[in-house]
Amino acid sequence: GAGVSQSPSNKVTEKGKDVELRCDPISGHTALYWYRQSLGQGLEFLIYFQGNSAPDKSGLPSDRFSAERTGGSVSTLTIQRTQQEDSAVYLCASSGLLEGVGETQYFGPGTRLLVL
Amino acid sequence: KNQVEQSPQSLIILEGKNCTLQCNYTVSPFSNLRWYKQDTGRGPVSLTIMTFSENTKSNGRYTATLDADTKQSSLHITASQLSDSASYICVVSFSGGYNKLIFGAGTRLAVHP
Repeated sequence: GAGVSQSPSNKVTEKGKDVELRCDPISGHTALYWYRQSLGQGLEFLIYFQGNSAPDKSGLPSDRFSAERTGGSVSTLTIQRTQQEDSAVYLCASSGLLEGVGETQYFGPGTRLLVL
Repeated sequence: KNQVEQSPQSLIILEGKNCTLQCNYTVSPFSNLRWYKQDTGRGPVSLTIMTFSENTKSNGRYTATLDADTKQSSLHITASQLSDSASYICVVSFSGGYNKLIFGAGTRLAVHP
């Protein structure tokens, strides 16, 4: 596909369960970002991958959150022992080369997570 | 603290009218400022990107301005259309090895016929 895709589009889970969210970036994009968007809030940076470099995990809110990127392409965001406050839209974005002036991040449609 | 604040939170206008959305930021060191449009249920889509030296940039009926001295930006929408109904997000990038983005909470615009 031409754009960033994410799956599932919606996820309802019970408190305490683990969830995995998937992101397929645009082919050839080396940078990949995960964000969280809570209702009425701005996007919150979670984690950044760039090529084979160590990811920037500074935005992950707790050790229940982790992410990996296999083969420099597909990424999975895992939330363990989900809590109700984890309910949000999780957005993935990718960009080409190093994110710099003129480069733009292309966003996927997001995964809406609801923790009951 | 790096922050981006937008106003108003929400806005309703009639089709064909113009409107201006505001963005104030306290991000430093500043790299560039972007405006994104986010339709309901979709990811944000970039409208404009401006660097420190640019004062204005247009994309069709959208015109963004930047005053780096006062750290303010505006997005002006001309001759609004129903399809302009969306959230408009101001995003400021600061340089920290790579351009990290700080997002505003957005302005929700509703264009009514």
